[in-house]
Amino acid sequence: DVKVTQSSRYLVKRTGEKVFLECVQDMDHENMFWYRQDPGLGLRLIYFSYDVKMKEKGDIPEGYSVSREKKERFSLILESASTNQTSMYLCAGRTSGSYEQFFGPGTRLTVL
Amino acid sequence: GDSVTQMEGPVTLSEEAFLTINCTYTATGYPSLFWYVQYPGEGLQLLLKATKADDKGSNKGFEATYRKETTSFHLEKGSVQVSDSAVYFCALSNAGGTSYGKLTFGQGTILTVHP
Repeated sequence: DVKVTQSSRYLVKRTGEKVFLECVQDMDHENMFWYRQDPGLGLRLIYFSYDVKMKEKGDIPEGYSVSREKKERFSLILESASTNQTSMYLCAGRTSGSYEQFFGPGTRLTVL
Repeated sequence: GDSVTQMEGPVTLSEEAFLTINCTYTATGYPSLFWYVQYPGEGLQLLLKATKADDKGSNKGFEATYRKETTSFHLEKGSVQVSDSAVYFCALSNAGGTSYGKLTFGQGTILTVHP
């Protein structure tokens, strides 16, 4: 199985700060995804990457950017954090040859 | 666009009760269908999947059958346990075009099982 790890389980930041959420997976040629999870809304796709330095917007990209300089690492960036970005953020990796995705444990971000 | 609708929750059951969580979808083509589970404080885990019509996915006593005629993928378990308490997500992946296997999720159903 793909193993996906996220740099922090809990994070507290202040409004206006630049925030980096890191995700690392342990297989080559993987697609990677960033979602946010909010009660009653399920998971919504923010951005995804299908190759190094390649990215595409998901359903809710506003206020976020991403970086993928190496295949195993996919970073989500909040350029100027706002309180409405308080959420659970989940990273996922896609197994080559399958449509299954494997998720990291999540980062619960609070913006004060 | 693609969408997934799950039954309204939360669902509260007694141990050994029968569980059904309804899921219907709207999608073009022939999507793959999934159920994911999220235990308290954890990320999502794949519970089961089905990749074509009439396929039955099963795992840990849970089952779901891909019904193309009713565009449904209902989750069932004959006898739930306290340890099944979690949030359950129905999802689909449409492989066509440049989707790269993106998942579209339902809103999630909270299941609580009491002893």
